[in-house]
Amino acid sequence: GQNIDQPTEMTATEGAIVQINCTYQTSGFNGLFWYQQHAGEAPTFLSYNVLDGLEEKGRFSSFLSRSKGYSYLLLKELQMKDSASYLCAVPSYSGAGSYQLTFGKGTKLSVIP
Amino acid sequence: KAGVTQTPRYLIKTRGQQVTLSCSPISGHRSVSWYQQTPGQGLQFLFEYFSETQRNKGNFPGRFSGRQFSNSRSEMNVSTLELGDSALYLCASSFAGTGLTGNTIYFGEGSWLTVV
Repeated sequence: GQNIDQPTEMTATEGAIVQINCTYQTSGFNGLFWYQQHAGEAPTFLSYNVLDGLEEKGRFSSFLSRSKGYSYLLLKELQMKDSASYLCAVPSYSGAGSYQLTFGKGTKLSVIP
Repeated sequence: KAGVTQTPRYLIKTRGQQVTLSCSPISGHRSVSWYQQTPGQGLQFLFEYFSETQRNKGNFPGRFSGRQFSNSRSEMNVSTLELGDSALYLCASSFAGTGLTGNTIYFGEGSWLTVV
């Protein structure tokens, strides 16, 4: 089975850097996703990591360590609009070409002035 | 390019009733998945359809069912509604599965279901 843990809430200051951690336990590893979800809106894709290391996309970076079962999402130069829930998810293969995503419960980030 | 469209956006039902939610995937996408999101349990996988066939099902009771049509549009149905079914139901589409090659999974805005 899959088990994913991430902090429930975090608060950070506008302009600062924040790191959102995610630890996971899986029976087979097929990569790790990060999604952003603003209140009342659809989750939107941020990143997908399948190899160890850091991947940078503008103000957002995602890191993966497969040996440690650990990932983090790094947000730089925080803006008020970054206030949202950040979801960590791992896909598991279910046969017949089908995968399903198992999500962590999400980290609600509040950015304050 | 139109996104994933879900209807209705909001609805209120009474215990014991049944409800049908609709999802139109992005044009060209053949895989549609459904997820339930609640404050307590987070996002949980319901089922996935591809080319009108259910390929995968999550750990939900038989009251939850779905189907996919030849145009890839999908519906999910919940019968004999319970208070605990109150949730945001999200539909996700992708070209041929969960898009492990990258950002190919797109979610709809969801349908907010309240059971009273």
